[in-house]
Amino acid sequence: NAGVMQNPRHLVRRRGQEARLRCSPMKGHSHVYWYRQLPEEGLKFMVYLQKENIIDESGMPKERFSAEFPKEGPSILRIQQVVRGDSAAYFCASSLGTSGSSETQYFGPGTRLLVL
Amino acid sequence: QKEVEQNSGPLSVPEGAIASLNCTYSDRVSQSFFWYRQYSGKSPELIMSIYSNGDKEDGRFTAQLNKASQYVSLLIRDSQPSDSATYLCAVNHNNNDMRFGAGTRLTVKP
Repeated sequence: NAGVMQNPRHLVRRRGQEARLRCSPMKGHSHVYWYRQLPEEGLKFMVYLQKENIIDESGMPKERFSAEFPKEGPSILRIQQVVRGDSAAYFCASSLGTSGSSETQYFGPGTRLLVL
Repeated sequence: QKEVEQNSGPLSVPEGAIASLNCTYSDRVSQSFFWYRQYSGKSPELIMSIYSNGDKEDGRFTAQLNKASQYVSLLIRDSQPSDSATYLCAVNHNNNDMRFGAGTRLTVKP
């Protein structure tokens, strides 16, 4: 029974390169959330997606960051032209999408991005 | 004002004691509240959820919710060294997406 899967687990990029982070939700889950966590800090909400729709992207930086959750395949968080400040752990969570405000989110293992 | 506030700690308790973790939130319409535990370098894992005022108990864990005071807490009885972690309070923000506090680091000393 696979949980939320994320890959890669670790990603090293040089400044100016692109980073692509992937998230496969738990089986049966149709809602995906992305969070960023800086060292010694809490989780910062970035974006909430359902299949083929962005529901809430209020936490996403306006530039360089984008997310998608296509009909087929994993959700992708894309960071263009990375800078050192993008170095962080990026967590994906998923939920069923049927219980409204009482939804429980289950987290993947995270992708640790290091920008050199 | 932050949406979800927690004391960052560190909170240190001796083994066997009760650890009390507190959280306040700003959005009065929030309906769902969650406590996650995060070990260093790991992902958050759900401990408890609570939706109604009062107490909810699960083993050594008790969550307490007071919507009038916009306050939610987590009590850990008979604390064990393995409970040493960062505890994240999460509040349902707007239907399905959540906001997290910065977390309280708990250390249980043998």
